[in-house]
Amino acid sequence: GENVGLHLPTLSVQEGDNSIINCAYSNSASDYFIWYKQESGKGPQFIIDIRSNMDKRQGQRVTVLLNKTVKHLSLQIAATQPGDSAVYFCAENYTGRRALTFGSGTRLQVQP
Amino acid sequence: NAGVTQTPKFQVLKTGQSMTLQCAQDMNHEYMSWYRQDPGMGLRLIHYSVGAGITDQGEVPNGYNVSRSTTEDFPLRLLSAAPSQTSVYFCASSPTTRSPTDTQYFGPGTRLTVL
Repeated sequence: GENVGLHLPTLSVQEGDNSIINCAYSNSASDYFIWYKQESGKGPQFIIDIRSNMDKRQGQRVTVLLNKTVKHLSLQIAATQPGDSAVYFCAENYTGRRALTFGSGTRLQVQP
Repeated sequence: NAGVTQTPKFQVLKTGQSMTLQCAQDMNHEYMSWYRQDPGMGLRLIHYSVGAGITDQGEVPNGYNVSRSTTEDFPLRLLSAAPSQTSVYFCASSPTTRSPTDTQYFGPGTRLTVL
C-alpha cells in the first residue's frame, strides 16, 4: 500500500549549519510532493513543492531534491536559524487523487 | 482575509457526547478537508469536499460526518465521541480541485480530548 515516511524522527543542528531532512515514499505513481512546516500549536504551513518531472527545486533558503529511482525526497535548509525549529512533514499525491498522504514528521531542533 | 479559521481551539468531551467542529474559509476555495493528527504521527484524512453539496470519505472516516452546504463552511460532526477520537483536528482548503497540486492552506487546529 501507500507509505510515506521519514528516516529520522529528530534532527538537531547548530545555528548556521545546513539541515537535511529526508523522506521515503513507496507509491511509484506519486507525481507531486510537498514539504510542510508545523510549529508548536499551529497548523502545517506550506514550504515548497516539487512535481515528478523535476529533480530539484529551490526556494528561499530551502531546496527540495527528488530521486524517483529510489523514491526519496529531501528538504535542505541553508543556514538554519532558531526560527526553523519545528516539525517538518513531507506529503505526496498523484494525478487523479484528491488527497495528500503525509509522512510521520521529523522534528528539527536548532541549537544556538 | 482571515484564511482558514477553526472553532473551538480546545474541547473536552465525555464518551458518548456529540459535537461539531467548525471550519470556515474566506478565500472562495472549492476544496476543503479535515485531517486528524495523533501524537508523533502525520495527518490522516477524515473527509473532504470538492465543492458545495459534495463530500467524500478519506482514510479514517468512521465516527465522523460532514456536510458542505456553502462554499465557505465545512463542519465536522462527532456523533458519539469515543476516547480514540482524542486528537488534534485540522481543517484545510485549496483553491480548486482541478489539480492535485493545489496548495492546501491549514487552519490552526482544534485540540479535542474525549474522556
